[in-house]
Amino acid sequence: EAQVTQNPRYLITVTGKKLTVTCSQNMNHEYMSWYRQDPGLGLRQIYYSMNVEVTDKGDVPEGYKVSRKEKRNFPLILESPSPNQTSLYFCASSLRRPQTINYGYTFGSGTRLTVV
Amino acid sequence: GQQLNQSPQSMFIQEGEDVSMNCTSSSIFNTWLWYKQEPGEGPVLLIALYKAGELTSNGRLTAQFGITRKDSFLNISASIPSDVGIYFCAGQLGYNNNDMRFGAGTRLTVKP
Repeated sequence: EAQVTQNPRYLITVTGKKLTVTCSQNMNHEYMSWYRQDPGLGLRQIYYSMNVEVTDKGDVPEGYKVSRKEKRNFPLILESPSPNQTSLYFCASSLRRPQTINYGYTFGSGTRLTVV
Repeated sequence: GQQLNQSPQSMFIQEGEDVSMNCTSSSIFNTWLWYKQEPGEGPVLLIALYKAGELTSNGRLTAQFGITRKDSFLNISASIPSDVGIYFCAGQLGYNNNDMRFGAGTRLTVKP
């Protein structure tokens, strides 16, 4: 089944303790992205990657890191989490190349992170 | 980045009623997408629109790409309880960049 898999689904952690949320897709998509979802704010992009070893900041990158060493994986790293990073996180991927139609994203099921 | 204004923020309707929601922006988009998010899941693509004026249906859902390219509409006819969820619009500004923007969502509640 074509899908984007995120882990963990739920995570409670303490301020300052480094964590990684994994994301993997099995559709050979070039494009991957991380979003956070907060009430009333919709989906805001954190980082994205157009292909392996190519990453760039989205709208709200502060406090986050990403890497794209392989096409299928795009982990989100919080080096020193803070309570304002408590949110619902989504990874998404897309078959998309420059100057072609955007076919829309496939989203993972989400990771609910609480930082206390 | 450019804002998408999605309205209404929430809707409470009776089963069988029709639903309309829309997204507007001050910017011109070349793609409009509509997603549905059910509780505990990620958004799922419902309809994609690629041309101004385009009208596309997916079952009881119909979406339109506004003529001005600054807005889009989603209609749901004869709503049923499983239509419950959050509906997001998304607009793509250009082909050669990453400028996809999401609306804040419309939360739909359907009473049986």
